[in-house]
Amino acid sequence: KQEVTQIPAALSVPEGENLVLNCSFTDSAIYNLQWFRQDPGKGLTSLLLIQSSQREQTSGRLNASLDKSSGRSTLYIAASQPGDSATYLCAVLSHYGQNFVFGPGTRLSVLP
Amino acid sequence: EPEVTQTPSHQVTQMGQEVILRCVPISNHLYFYWYRQILGQKVEFLVSFYNNEISEKSEIFDDQFSVERPDGSNFTLKIRSTKLEDSAMYFCASSDLGHYSNQPQHFGDGTRLSIL
Repeated sequence: KQEVTQIPAALSVPEGENLVLNCSFTDSAIYNLQWFRQDPGKGLTSLLLIQSSQREQTSGRLNASLDKSSGRSTLYIAASQPGDSATYLCAVLSHYGQNFVFGPGTRLSVLP
Repeated sequence: EPEVTQTPSHQVTQMGQEVILRCVPISNHLYFYWYRQILGQKVEFLVSFYNNEISEKSEIFDDQFSVERPDGSNFTLKIRSTKLEDSAMYFCASSDLGHYSNQPQHFGDGTRLSIL
């Protein structure tokens, strides 16, 4: 059964810092991995989707990498801003139809 | 940009009562999903729906739950006899292609369900 973990659980950084969020999964037979953002009281916004055949995806200041063999993904946020404050979730889609298995999230606070 | 909308934003119901949560997916999307998030816990997949039938469901989605697309725009989740442990945020999502198309899902803002 796929298990997804994320570290750290919470992170507080000053504005302008580059930061890395980590996601680990136990079963490497994945179809894709997605990073989401969740603002308080809101739904999930898809940030980046990495297919199993890809190593990384970039969107603006965000870069996500995938190392399937080691069961890891990282989300790199460059030049963080207070507006980046949110909970970041990773979710893994397995080949054999477990659907999305979500991690518990990392709660990020970027201080002005 | 098109959005997934969910109503109501907050539903309070007595234990044992039936509740229907409503979602309007993005209009040209064909795949629909329900997820839930119990306070302080992970987001969990409940069910996916395509072509007027359930395509996948999780262990959570037992006989108390049902989904329906009663018309061309709404997608509903019904809980027949609510229990205290059904209290959670329920998210609807839609996509134009299915899970294995590598297309992202679009989520609504959720309905907070409180069972008393």
